[in-house]
Parts: sequence; structure tokens; C-alpha cells
Amino acid sequence: NAGVMQNPRHLVRRRGQEARLRCSPMKGHSHVYWYRQLPEEGLKFMVYLQKENIIDESGMPKERFSAEFPKEGPSILRIQQVVRGDSAAYFCASSPRTGWTANSGNTIYFGEGSWLTVV
Amino acid sequence: LAKTTQPISMDSYEGQEVNITCSHNNIATNDYITWYQQFPSQGPRFIIQGYKTKVTNEVASLFIPADRKSSTLSLPRVSLSDTAVYYCLVGTGTASKLTFGTGTRLQVTL
Repeated sequence: NAGVMQNPRHLVRRRGQEARLRCSPMKGHSHVYWYRQLPEEGLKFMVYLQKENIIDESGMPKERFSAEFPKEGPSILRIQQVVRGDSAAYFCASSPRTGWTANSGNTIYFGEGSWLTVV
Repeated sequence: LAKTTQPISMDSYEGQEVNITCSHNNIATNDYITWYQQFPSQGPRFIIQGYKTKVTNEVASLFIPADRKSSTLSLPRVSLSDTAVYYCLVGTGTASKLTFGTGTRLQVTL
């Protein structure tokens, strides 16, 4: 049972270029989350998507960042016109459903991350 | 949002039991408590999840008192490979609101 797959693992971009990060959720999972982790910091929530829908993008910068999770294919986090401050590890996670109830938890599984370096 | 507080760092010797306590005073009725482990350059790895009392799996135990305002992750007989950052998270009904704190950096030495 393959886990959450992210690619590329490492990506180097020059300032002003575009970065595309891909995430394939675990089999049977229809909910995808993106987090960003700056060096020596915790993970910060960016966006939560279901198939073809953005559910919560409250953590994503309003400009240059976008995310999608099409009906077919992986989820993509896109960063346009990258700047040095975008250098970070970007983690994707997936879960089979949303919400945790008193009767049933909901485990979110993370991928190994994509490390973006902007030079 | 249920905020969590945990020690910034802990040190232990190999073979000892390690207990990491997390405070979550404003935990909501439907919230679950989940612990993740993260090694450098890797994604967080699920360790254990619980709602109340005690949960045990093959790698850890999770103790949650009746008031649920705190929880303790117990790692039996740690080894050098348990050196990592451990995050305590409290769910608030929708997974999108999972908030990671700074975690507890556990250093295990010989």
C-alpha cells in the first residue's frame, strides 16, 4: 500500500521562475493537505483540497500560490515567480475523510516532502 | 483552535523510558489527540492517536487523563534512532485546522 507520494523531492529554481510540486495521495484517500516548513520551524498549514474542490485555503498566500486537485491525477501546488523566501520544505498529506468525531479518529498521513530552493 | 504546549527539548539515554507531556487546556469535546514524529529531511510520521484514557500500539503509549487537558506520549526503552522532533496535535473537527507547534526535540545518547 503505497504512501503519499511527492515529487520532485528536490527542486531548484531561479528567482522569477515557476515551481510545481506534485502529490499523489494514499490509495483510497480523497482529501489532500499542503503544509510548508521553513528551516527550524514547525509545519504551517497552507491549503486543504478534495477532488476538484478547494475546501480551505486560509493558510496560502494570496498571490503567486495556487493549488489544485483534479478529478484525475495528482494534486499540484504551484508557485509562480518564486522568491528566495519561498525556499522551504513543502509537505503533502492525505486522509480518507474530513473531520474527527468522538467515535472515530481520522489519521492524516504525510509524504516525504519536496524541498524547494530558490537561488 | 486548541492550542498545545509541549517542552521544547528533552534529553535521554538509550534504554530509558521517555515521557513527553502536552498541554491542551481548551480541547473541545470532539477533539482527538495525535502525535507525530519527524526526522530531519523527512515528513511527519504518525505515531499514535487517542481520545481518552490509554492507547497503546507497537511503538508507544498515549495517556490521557479524564479531563483531557493534557496527554503524555510514552516511548519505552528509547534508542538512538528515536532522536527526532515529536509533535502533539489536537483535532478541532476538520482536518484542515491541524496546527503544528514547535514540537519537542528529543535527543537520545549512549
